[in-house]
Amino acid sequence: DVKVTQSSRYLVKRTGEKVFLECVQDMDHENMFWYRQDPGLGLRLIYFSYDVKMKEKGDIPEGYSVSREKKERFSLILESASTNQTSMYLCASSPLGRLLAGTGYEQYFGPGTRLTVT
Amino acid sequence: AQTVTQSQPEMSVQEAETVTLSCTYDTSENNYYLFWYKQPPSRQMILVIRQEAYKQQNATENRFSVNFQKAAKSFSLKISDSQLGDTAMYFCAFMKHTGANNLFFGTGTRLTVIP
Repeated sequence: DVKVTQSSRYLVKRTGEKVFLECVQDMDHENMFWYRQDPGLGLRLIYFSYDVKMKEKGDIPEGYSVSREKKERFSLILESASTNQTSMYLCASSPLGRLLAGTGYEQYFGPGTRLTVT
Repeated sequence: AQTVTQSQPEMSVQEAETVTLSCTYDTSENNYYLFWYKQPPSRQMILVIRQEAYKQQNATENRFSVNFQKAAKSFSLKISDSQLGDTAMYFCAFMKHTGANNLFFGTGTRLTVIP
């Protein structure tokens, strides 16, 4: 079974803090993704990575950065947390790298981190 | 740009009945993939069913089936013999056939199965 884990289920941070959200997958997947989920907006892609040290911006990258130093780990960083970043954050992974896109592999999701910024 | 629209924010169905969730999408791509994902309360998102746009035959997975109308850009999900465990948020999603493997999601439909 594919397992995607996220470091925290719930997190409360103060405005201006630097926040790290960690995601680890155990299936040697090349692709990893960070989404945020908000009521009425669905899931929106923040960043994704198709290889170690590679990253690409998604639809809403402003205020976020990412790090992928090892294949199994993809970190989302909020450089200076703001109240409008209060949300549910979902990590996902899928097999195959960008050059082999076209196979329509499903994405496997972690349990999510509910972040509250006060 | 790809957009996915789910026009039903909430739906309910009696246990053992059939329900259909709607999804439309907009794309200029000819080949692509469509997905329905399920997110049960406080649980992880899981794949329900996948459709490849170049296949005319509608995908089925046990009680779940889709009605894929490529010309109309419509991709509805039918759940037969609804069970209490089907209570969840359902998201429709689109993936391009080439390029990055990221998904474009709709806003979701919250389905409640009533005993």
